Amino acid sequence: GAVVSQHPSRVICKSGTSVKIECRSLDFQATTMFWYRQFPKKSLMLMATSNEGSKATYEQGVEKDKFLINHASLTLSTLTVTSAHPEDSSFYICSARVPDRGYEQYFGPGTRLTVT
Amino acid sequence: QKEVEQDPGPLSVPEGAIVSLNCTYSNSAFQYFMWYRQYSRKGPELLMYTYSSGNKEDGRFTAQVDKSSKYISLFIRDSQPSDSATYLCAMSARNAGGTSYGKLTFGQGTILTVHP
Repeated sequence: GAVVSQHPSRVICKSGTSVKIECRSLDFQATTMFWYRQFPKKSLMLMATSNEGSKATYEQGVEKDKFLINHASLTLSTLTVTSAHPEDSSFYICSARVPDRGYEQYFGPGTRLTVT
Repeated sequence: QKEVEQDPGPLSVPEGAIVSLNCTYSNSAFQYFMWYRQYSRKGPELLMYTYSSGNKEDGRFTAQVDKSSKYISLFIRDSQPSDSATYLCAMSARNAGGTSYGKLTFGQGTILTVHP
């Protein structure tokens, strides 16, 4: 149980375009999901907390207009990188909190974004 | 000072060795302690979680928490080449009202290589 999927696993886009990444909890309902960014050989940096049916809470320094997060259902959260720039190239990982084990988070496999 | 400190290694051990991974932290509010394993270009996988102080064992893995010293450890017995990965400690606390769980704070990750 507690499986989280992400789609796509890899995406290449051109500068100035937008790209959407999906995060799904497959076997449980997740009222809270998280989006992280990870640079090579670095730890995870929390970008935002996504709560179903409400606006996401962004961490300091994360541009909310650039990284749009929508948590439209209990099993799906999306991250849209708008007006992508090569500096946005990174590994993006989502996680979901299990409702009855709230301190645990289960992570998706990650999405490798390359902006050319 | 970072809230969570973890020796990034890299750590290289022979197959069969006992591996000790450690994290220290400064926030005394942390109550929930987790260890994640992350293979290259994959999302983190939850290995162990512990609430408050004490030990927890699961197969070849043992997690220890010493809240008085603000120190947590993960021991891997009979290490295998398949254990080669980055190990991340993570911890969280309840919010001020005790009604929800806070975000995870990660260590920097320790790169472990187990060679045959």
